[in-house]
Amino acid sequence: KQEVTQIPAALSVPEGENLVLNCSFTDSAIYNLQWFRQDPGKGLTSLLLIQSSQREQTSGRLNASLDKSSGRSTLYIAASQPGDSATYLCAVNTGGFKTIFGAGTRLFVKA
Amino acid sequence: EPEVTQTPSHQVTQMGQEVILRCVPISNHLYFYWYRQILGQKVEFLVSFYNNEISEKSEIFDDQFSVERPDGSNFTLKIRSTKLEDSAMYFCASSPDWNSPLHFGNGTRLTVT
Repeated sequence: KQEVTQIPAALSVPEGENLVLNCSFTDSAIYNLQWFRQDPGKGLTSLLLIQSSQREQTSGRLNASLDKSSGRSTLYIAASQPGDSATYLCAVNTGGFKTIFGAGTRLFVKA
Repeated sequence: EPEVTQTPSHQVTQMGQEVILRCVPISNHLYFYWYRQILGQKVEFLVSFYNNEISEKSEIFDDQFSVERPDGSNFTLKIRSTKLEDSAMYFCASSPDWNSPLHFGNGTRLTVT
């Protein structure tokens, strides 16, 4: 059974710092991995999707990497801003129509 | 930018009552999903829907739950007889195909009293 774990559970950094969020999954047989952002009381916004054949994806200040064989992904956020404060969720698609989520990392960026 | 819309944003119901949660997916998307998030817990998959039928469902999605696409735009989740443990945020999502990013609505907070 696929399990997705995210470390750390919470993170507080000063504005401008570069940071890395970690995601691990137990079954390497995935089709894609997505990173989402969730603001309090809101829905999820897809940030990046990495296909199983890819090693990384970039969007603006965000870079996500995928090492399928070791069951790991990282989300790198450059030059963090207070507006980046949110919960970041990692989710894997193991084929078919089901996406399995981690518990998330709550990020707080201090001005 | 097109978005997934969900109504109502908050629904309060009594235990044993039926509720219907409504969603309007993005118009050119073909895959539709319901997820839920109990307060403080992970987002959990409930069901996916493609080509007018359920394509996959989780163990949570028992006989008390049903989904329907009654017309070309709406996608609904019905809970026949609500329980206290059904209290959660319910998210609708859609995607153009199964291997594309999921687009989520803002959710319906269901409170069962």
